[in-house]
Amino acid sequence: AQKITQTQPGMFVQEKEAVTLDCTYDTSDPSYGLFWYKQPSSGEMIFLIYQGSYDQQNATEGRYSLNFQKARKSANLVISASQLGDSAMYFCAMREGESGGYQKVTFGTGTKLQVIP
Amino acid sequence: ETGVTQSPTHLIKTRGQQVTLRCSSQSGHNTVSWYQQALGQGPQFIFQYYREEENGRGNFPPRFSGLQFPNYSSELNVNALELDDSALYLCASSLGGWTKPSEQYFGPGTRLTVT
Repeated sequence: AQKITQTQPGMFVQEKEAVTLDCTYDTSDPSYGLFWYKQPSSGEMIFLIYQGSYDQQNATEGRYSLNFQKARKSANLVISASQLGDSAMYFCAMREGESGGYQKVTFGTGTKLQVIP
Repeated sequence: ETGVTQSPTHLIKTRGQQVTLRCSSQSGHNTVSWYQQALGQGPQFIFQYYREEENGRGNFPPRFSGLQFPNYSSELNVNALELDDSALYLCASSLGGWTKPSEQYFGPGTRLTVT
């Protein structure tokens, strides 16, 4: 079963506009973490934002915010005021299990975001 | 810059050959994870090493093996290469079972092509 689903293979957004990248997940583990990575064409995975399953508030990191809807099992990434440098692949991922020790991380298939001047 | 380096950057091998990829972890990090990322896909977890012992493995056959050294650098070895092994291989280092992804740092990857 697909654990992380990203249904948008590609997205376009106008510079300075906001964009939402969708992510749904599936797990029976009560303790899990959800996060987003950015991967530019250079290949390096860049951590953007993290949401723990027990966190009460939605996570925010600068222009990035995570819209966490636990009942719907969704963890959408919102990028505000898009910049040309935001053009990249974006991956949603999930960590299952308690913190510390071995933790398996599952990635989605990614969404390619292109910011238009 | 994450402080995690990988070598080589690119590699071309022939089907049936063996390959060794290397990763140098960020200073002080005792845990390393390896991922395979096929073109157009998300990374898939291969295995994780903690203090020189494998402590977790994804759905990869035994011909994928690894080593972690006392200085916490590590290797990924793949025997009997197949065409489907062509991918970007990423390593990520962390300190003893990270609690948040920001504590896991990825290297730039090694692009392996099998012909």
